[in-house]
Amino acid sequence: DQQVKQNSPSLSVQEGRISILNCDYTNSMFDYFLWYKKYPAEGPTFLISISSIKDKNEDGRFTVFLNKSAKHLSLHIVPSQPGDSAVYFCAASVQGGGADGLTFGKGTHLIIQP
Amino acid sequence: DVKVTQSSRYLVKRTGEKVFLECVQDMDHENMFWYRQDPGLGLRLIYFSYDVKMKEKGDIPEGYSVSREKKERFSLILESASTNQTSMYLCASSSNGREAFFGQGTRLTVV
Repeated sequence: DQQVKQNSPSLSVQEGRISILNCDYTNSMFDYFLWYKKYPAEGPTFLISISSIKDKNEDGRFTVFLNKSAKHLSLHIVPSQPGDSAVYFCAASVQGGGADGLTFGKGTHLIIQP
Repeated sequence: DVKVTQSSRYLVKRTGEKVFLECVQDMDHENMFWYRQDPGLGLRLIYFSYDVKMKEKGDIPEGYSVSREKKERFSLILESASTNQTSMYLCASSSNGREAFFGQGTRLTVV
């Protein structure tokens, strides 16, 4: 059973517009959420995270929103740039279970069109 | 900066070979992980380790084993490589169970 779901395999956005990537989770024990960005033939790089005690975290062009009641989080990228074209993975972890690793979604391929 | 280094970027091995993938981290992290990434399947956890000589199975451990003799090094072993183990292998480490840092990945092809 998939505990972290990214239901959009791909997303195409025009340069300069807002990109919104979505992620849903089923495990109510998750209390920390992360977004990773991955280019082809490279390892994922950490982008932004949010603790379950918050509903929003912002870092430059990137903002993550968390709706705990809906078990939903989203990543907003404003404005979108060509270098943002990559696969984005949503990940989650359980407090105290950090040694167990992160649970990842299947990823969303974001394509920024000029 | 945290650095996680995987010994090879690309590997081609024959079916039945024993394959070693090496990973070294330089930040004294307790936790280390091996994932594989496949199209449409995301990142799946193979094995992890929270201490030297300790190992735990992840979601897809079949066909793999691991070794952690030193804190900074975590090795993934394919006992007898098969074509369905052709994949991108990613090593990661973390200290607090939150943010994990990844290596650059090893693209393994089994022929």
